[in-house]
Amino acid sequence: DQQVKQNSPSLSVQEGRISILNCDYTNSMFDYFLWYKKYPAEGPTFLISISSIKDKNEDGRFTVFLNKSAKHLSLHIVPSQPGDSAVYFCAASVTTFGNEKLTFGTGTRLTIIP
Amino acid sequence: DGGITQSPKYLFRKEGQNVTLSCEQNLNHDAMYWYRQDPGQGLRLIYYSQIVNDFQKGDIAEGYSVSREKKESFPLTVTSAQKNPTAFYLCASTNRKRDKNIQYFGAGTRLSVL
Repeated sequence: DQQVKQNSPSLSVQEGRISILNCDYTNSMFDYFLWYKKYPAEGPTFLISISSIKDKNEDGRFTVFLNKSAKHLSLHIVPSQPGDSAVYFCAASVTTFGNEKLTFGTGTRLTIIP
Repeated sequence: DGGITQSPKYLFRKEGQNVTLSCEQNLNHDAMYWYRQDPGQGLRLIYYSQIVNDFQKGDIAEGYSVSREKKESFPLTVTSAQKNPTAFYLCASTNRKRDKNIQYFGAGTRLSVL
């Protein structure tokens, strides 16, 4: 049972435009969400996170939006740059001390077209 | 520099052989994790450890074993019982009190079967 889903395996965006990556989850107990970026043959790098008490978190070009009623989050990258080409994973967790496990989606490969 | 070091980067296993993947961190993190990534899939949790001398099974622990004798080290052994070991293995760690559920990853080990 896939509790975190990224339904778009790939996405292509022109350089300078907005990239929007989507993620859906089914477990209503999840209360903390993260986005990771991964280059081939490297480990994922943490990008940005959001707690369920917020609906938006911004860090530079990256903004994460959370819609709890729809169990949906999205990552916006503006403007998109060639270095943003990578696989993006969303992850979710239940914030219980002693149970800090992350559940990952299957990833979306983002390609920025120059 | 502080970080998570995984070795080797590439590893080959013969049929019936046990192999051990190394993960060392000098971040003074208390929790450590092992994940497996297969093509087109997300990261799946194999084992995790929240304190020294204690560890728990993740979602796909069969055919794997771990130890946590030191805070800095969390080696993963892929045993001969793991019938499909070819994958990219990622180690992660976190300071549970400071970093909430943000996990930081090593560069990974790619394991192949000869």
